[in-house]
Amino acid sequence: AQSVTQLGSHVSVSEGALVLLRCNYSSSVPPYLFWYVQYPNQGLQLLLKYTSAATLVKGINGFEAEFKKSETSFHLTKPSAHMSDAAEYFCAVSGAGTYKYIFGTGTRLKVLA
Amino acid sequence: GAVVSQHPSRVICKSGTSVKIECRSLDFQATTMFWYRQFPKQSLMLMATSNEGSKATYEQGVEKDKFLINHASLTLSTLTVTSAHPEDSSFYICSASHEGQSYEQYFGPGTRLTVT
Repeated sequence: AQSVTQLGSHVSVSEGALVLLRCNYSSSVPPYLFWYVQYPNQGLQLLLKYTSAATLVKGINGFEAEFKKSETSFHLTKPSAHMSDAAEYFCAVSGAGTYKYIFGTGTRLKVLA
Repeated sequence: GAVVSQHPSRVICKSGTSVKIECRSLDFQATTMFWYRQFPKQSLMLMATSNEGSKATYEQGVEKDKFLINHASLTLSTLTVTSAHPEDSSFYICSASHEGQSYEQYFGPGTRLTVT
């Protein structure tokens, strides 16, 4: 069985500050992990993915995430927030044998000027 | 690469009518397609999974007679909401995966359905 927990349904940061969005997962098989961003009334845009290669994954728009097996975490970070980063962020897990995604509940990021 | 389109992007229909939403993989063959529903300020809820040429597999609680899914080709899946009611108003998103990378889904831009 797989599950995803995103801690913090709302996160606010100042422009230029560090962004940290948390994602913990559980999986009985080696996981594939994804971070997506969603802007209002739009579909999901892939930010980055972990597919069992490098544990530190770099994505688009300056985002990165580190897969930590011992902590079952895949937190998303960005060194310096930009106003355009304000959006909803979803963490998702899938795994061998079942390619359904299990989504987290999402984190709404607000960037303060 | 791996682009998925949806049509229409927005549809308004009257209660009791049916509406069809198309999902197309534009540059790859989609062996599996997924349909999600998203309520405001909530996460995506998987409705069904479909493989080309096979009947769709619906998630628990999803009415298969109300949400008809057809995956007739490797590039097209359709979701028909039959006898739509206001409570069916939602944002519907499809995704697709291909055989080479079954673990990853590529998402469409979504369809906003409003039933009046």
